[in-house]
Amino acid sequence: SQQGEEDPQALSIQEGENATMNCSYKTSINNLQWYRQNSGRGLVHLILIRSNEREKHSGRLRVTLDTSKKSSSLLITASRAADTASYFCATDRGSTLGRLYFGRGTQLTVWP
Amino acid sequence: GAGVSQSPRYKVAKRGQDVALRCDPISGHVSLFWYQQALGQGPEFLTYFQNEAQLDKSGLPSDRFFAERPEGSVSTLKIQRTQQEDSAVYLCASSLNQAGRSYNEQFFGPGTRLTVL
Repeated sequence: SQQGEEDPQALSIQEGENATMNCSYKTSINNLQWYRQNSGRGLVHLILIRSNEREKHSGRLRVTLDTSKKSSSLLITASRAADTASYFCATDRGSTLGRLYFGRGTQLTVWP
Repeated sequence: GAGVSQSPRYKVAKRGQDVALRCDPISGHVSLFWYQQALGQGPEFLTYFQNEAQLDKSGLPSDRFFAERPEGSVSTLKIQRTQQEDSAVYLCASSLNQAGRSYNEQFFGPGTRLTVL
């Protein structure tokens, strides 16, 4: 079963705007990750945030984590057409074996 | 190659046929995962190997699904008597699984898109 729920399911913005995607989950976690998937391709790891962290940055990406609300957000600043993709959050449900539980994803479209 | 590769990239099968999907992980990666991704959904876990040992197969949807990794490198996911509901993208991922690390990044292959007619 899906672990996370991303919202919105779809997001359409203009180049240069910021894109914010949210993820909620239901169990305890060790860490939460965000992945990107271009159409017809595999997933690319973007960023990992540990359960004891609240915010993390990587280039134009900013991830926040609120474990009390069991939610995370991914912010892409100054978006580009090349950012068009599906974005998924994934958690480990507290396991250290590596198995990931994904949400249904947000389809982001950035118009030039 | 530097990444995870999967073959074939596309497979069309008639209902009832058996199919075999191959995954070549990154050389030296200990852990290997198979996921199933239905259209418009996120990937769902199928099974996990550490070297040649299949440590978790709880995500396999039925006994028609079978995975192996006999030499701890290449893995094959086999689906017997395929059904229309098996149509999906099958993703393979590998990770280094370094001892002492709480997290090991998973590297995904491009997937095999299976269509069962």
